[in-house]
Amino acid sequence: EVQLVESGGDLVQPGGSLRLSCAASGFTLNTYTMNWVRQTPGKGLEWVSHISSSSRTIYYADSVKGRFTISRDNAKNSLYLQMNSLRAEDTAVYYCARARILDGHTFDYWGQGTLVTVSS
Amino acid sequence: EIVLTQSPGTLSLSPGERATLSCRASQSVDSYYLAWYQQKPGQAPRLLIYGASSRAPGIPDRFSGSGSGTDFTLTISRLEPEDFAVYYCQQYGRSMYTFGQGTKLEIK
Repeated sequence: EVQLVESGGDLVQPGGSLRLSCAASGFTLNTYTMNWVRQTPGKGLEWVSHISSSSRTIYYADSVKGRFTISRDNAKNSLYLQMNSLRAEDTAVYYCARARILDGHTFDYWGQGTLVTVSS
Repeated sequence: EIVLTQSPGTLSLSPGERATLSCRASQSVDSYYLAWYQQKPGQAPRLLIYGASSRAPGIPDRFSGSGSGTDFTLTISRLEPEDFAVYYCQQYGRSMYTFGQGTKLEIK
């Protein structure tokens, strides 16, 4: 069974940093592109970042470019998101999602999310 | 950036009725890169449709997708009680992904 489990969400002050993790199981992580997608409380979905299976290709949404860094450790079956210079508008539930590149870059499995709250 | 606009914002229907949800793109989208998701309260989104019209594994055939260019549609032929949720369209292009703002399908 495919499982994605996020962790690391917390309450952090504006300007602070946080590192999110996503533990993958039930599939071979090193053959899949992975993404982070966030959802603000009561609002819609916003894509955050993409990393290819080999980490060769990385994309970011303009809203996080220069502040967030996506990475992965295939040997540890894990995906990460380092978030620096956090702002109030970064407050959201952060999901890791597996991407099916051969099916139009769709997200076929999602974790349950981890909540990041940026507030003083 | 391609903006996806979904309509209506809220759709009130009864079980057994047909639901038609719209997703309009600000510029042409390759159908191959258009998907639909369902999200229920407290849950992560679930992939329903990819490639504009292909059902994801395990998705009932009452769900269907259609469209091309800038206009896409998700149709639920006969609503079941478990179909009342929020639906999002999503596209990929030019190294980025965007989502529509969602359509809430509620019980009338």
